[in-house]
Amino acid sequence: DAGVTQSPTHLIKTRGQQVTLRCSPKSGHDTVSWYQQALGQGPQFIFQYYEEEERQRGNFPDRFSGHQYPNYSSELNVNALLLGDSALYLCASTHTGTSGSRNTGELFFGEGSRLTVL
Amino acid sequence: DAKTTQPPSMDCAEGRAANLPCNHSTISGNEYVYWYRQIHSQGPQYIIHGLKNNETNEMASLIITEDRKSSTLILPHATLRDTAVYYCIVRPRWDNQGGKLIFGQGTELSVKP
Repeated sequence: DAGVTQSPTHLIKTRGQQVTLRCSPKSGHDTVSWYQQALGQGPQFIFQYYEEEERQRGNFPDRFSGHQYPNYSSELNVNALLLGDSALYLCASTHTGTSGSRNTGELFFGEGSRLTVL
Repeated sequence: DAKTTQPPSMDCAEGRAANLPCNHSTISGNEYVYWYRQIHSQGPQYIIHGLKNNETNEMASLIITEDRKSSTLILPHATLRDTAVYYCIVRPRWDNQGGKLIFGQGTELSVKP
C-alpha cells in the first residue's frame, strides 16, 4: 500500500518564476493538506482540499493556490516566487469520509518537495 | 487553537526511557493531544493521541495530567532511530475536515549511545 507520494523531490527556481508541486494521497484518503516548512521551523499549514474544494486556509498570500482532482490527488502552485518561498513543502492526507464515519486526526505525510528559489 | 510549550532539546541515553513534556494550559474540553515526530529529511509521522486517559501503543505511551494542562510522551526504550524532532499538538478530534495541524517548534530529541 503506497503512502503519500510527492513530486518532484527537489527543484530549483529563480525569483518571479512559478512552480507546481504534486501529491498523491494514501490509498483510501480523500483529504489533502499542504504545509510549508522553512529550515529549522515546524511545518506551517497552507491549505486543505476536500471534495475538490479549498476548505481551510492558513495565513498565506493568494500567490499560493491549489487544486484537487477527482482521484483525490492534488497540486500546489506558487506564483511570482520569492527567495522566502524556499522551503520543504509537505503534503499530508487523511480520510474525512461520509456521515457516520469519523476523522481520527491522524495525518499521513509525504517526504516533501524541497524548493530552492535563487 | 490551543498553544503548546515544549523544551527545545533533550538528550537521552540509548535503551533508557525518553520522557518528553508538553504544556498546553489553554486546552479546551473538546481538544485532544496529538504527538508527531519528524526524523531528519522526512515528513512528520503520527505517534499517538489522547483526550484525558493515558494511552499506549506500539510506539509510545502518553500520560495526560488530570487537569489536562500538560502531558508527557514516553518512549520506553529509546534507540538511535528515535532521534527526531517531536511535536505536541492540540486540536479537536472531531474535525470533520481534519487536515490542519498547528505545529510549534517541537523538542529535538537526541538519543546517544
